[in-house]
Amino acid sequence: NAGVMQNPRHLVRRRGQEARLRCSPMKGHSHVYWYRQLPEEGLKFMVYLQKENIIDESGMPKERFSAEFPKEGPSILRIQQVVRGDSAAYFCASSPDRTETQYFGPGTRLLVL
Amino acid sequence: QKEVEQNSGPLSVPEGAIASLNCTYSDRGSQSFFWYRQYSGKSPELIMFIYSNGDKEDGRFTAQLNKASQYVSLLIRDSQPSDSATYLCAVPINAGNNRKLIWGLGTSLAVNP
Repeated sequence: NAGVMQNPRHLVRRRGQEARLRCSPMKGHSHVYWYRQLPEEGLKFMVYLQKENIIDESGMPKERFSAEFPKEGPSILRIQQVVRGDSAAYFCASSPDRTETQYFGPGTRLLVL
Repeated sequence: QKEVEQNSGPLSVPEGAIASLNCTYSDRGSQSFFWYRQYSGKSPELIMFIYSNGDKEDGRFTAQLNKASQYVSLLIRDSQPSDSATYLCAVPINAGNNRKLIWGLGTSLAVNP
């Protein structure tokens, strides 16, 4: 039973480029959550999605960040025109319907040069 | 402001001792509580959850919940160096039409051989 999958595991971008982070939830899970974690800091909620719907994006920066979870395929977190402050670990978690237990993927470490 | 608070630590205990990690939360309506462990450079992994007042035991781990005091703790018996990690407390709260997990900043635990 495969867990939550994220790719790439490491991503290096230059300032101004775009970063695309992918998350495939656990089989049978239709709820996806994205978190950001800066070095030596706590988890910061970004966005909560269900298939084809954004449920809560209260933690998403207003500009440059977007997320989607299409009917088919993985959830995508997109960061446009990256800046050095975007360097962080981005974690995806998934949960089955009607439960709150979240299971995390291995994360994507984004480094902006 | 709905909050989850943890002592940041580091909490240092000798190998074989009991490590006690504490978490307080502000939302009296919270019904379930989660403990996650995060090793340095890794993603959070679920240790256990608790819904009812009292104790819940799983191997060397015991979660203790006191809803009247809005307090949940995690005890680790016979601590091992491999238990050295950051322990995160998470509490679901109602946020509009959905529920979201509110995360503490975590307590860093060091188990000394």
